[in-house]
Amino acid sequence: EVQLVESGGGLVKPGGSLRLSCAASGFTFSSYSMNWVRQAPGKGLEWVSSISSSSSYIYYADSVKGRFTISRDNAKNSLYLQMNSLRAEDTAVYYCARGDHPQPHSSLYDYWGQGTLVTVSS
Amino acid sequence: EIVLTQSPDFQSVTPKEKVTITCRASQSIGSSLHWYQQKPDQSPKLLIKYASQSISGVPSRFSGSGSGTDFTLTINSLEAEDAATYYCHQSSSLPLTFGGGTKVEIK
Repeated sequence: EVQLVESGGGLVKPGGSLRLSCAASGFTFSSYSMNWVRQAPGKGLEWVSSISSSSSYIYYADSVKGRFTISRDNAKNSLYLQMNSLRAEDTAVYYCARGDHPQPHSSLYDYWGQGTLVTVSS
Repeated sequence: EIVLTQSPDFQSVTPKEKVTITCRASQSIGSSLHWYQQKPDQSPKLLIKYASQSISGVPSRFSGSGSGTDFTLTINSLEAEDAATYYCHQSSSLPLTFGGGTKVEIK
């Protein structure tokens, strides 16, 4: 059974940093692209960042470019999102989602984690 | 950026009724359009892929159609458990984008 479990969310002040993790199990992690998608309270879904299976290709939404860094450790079956210079508008539930093939630029998201809440507030 | 416009934003429907949700893309995306269902306090779940392909485990009352710029999600004979928000999503080009969502309420 595919499982994605996010962690690392919490309350942080504007300008602060946070590192999210996503632990994957139940599939060959190194064969799939991985993604972060967020959802602000009461709002819709917003793609944040994607990484290919071998980390060769990385993409970011304009809203987070230069502030967020996606990475993965295939040996540990884990995905990460380092978030710096956080703003109030980054407040959201952050979901880890598996892409349906190795390259992220044309992937759909076939499995999602339960999400982790990031709140940016003073 | 490809903009996906869903309609309606909200729909209140009685059980066994048919539900139709549309998603219009700002430019042609072929069949690279997918549908997700998100129930309250849950993560999204893939419902239909590539416009019309079914997903294992998803009830057959859910179906999708369309290509190019106009797509439709149909729920035949709505059940109470279908109360959720439905999102379309395009994987044709970066940035991958989502529609604004359609909330389906059961009367």
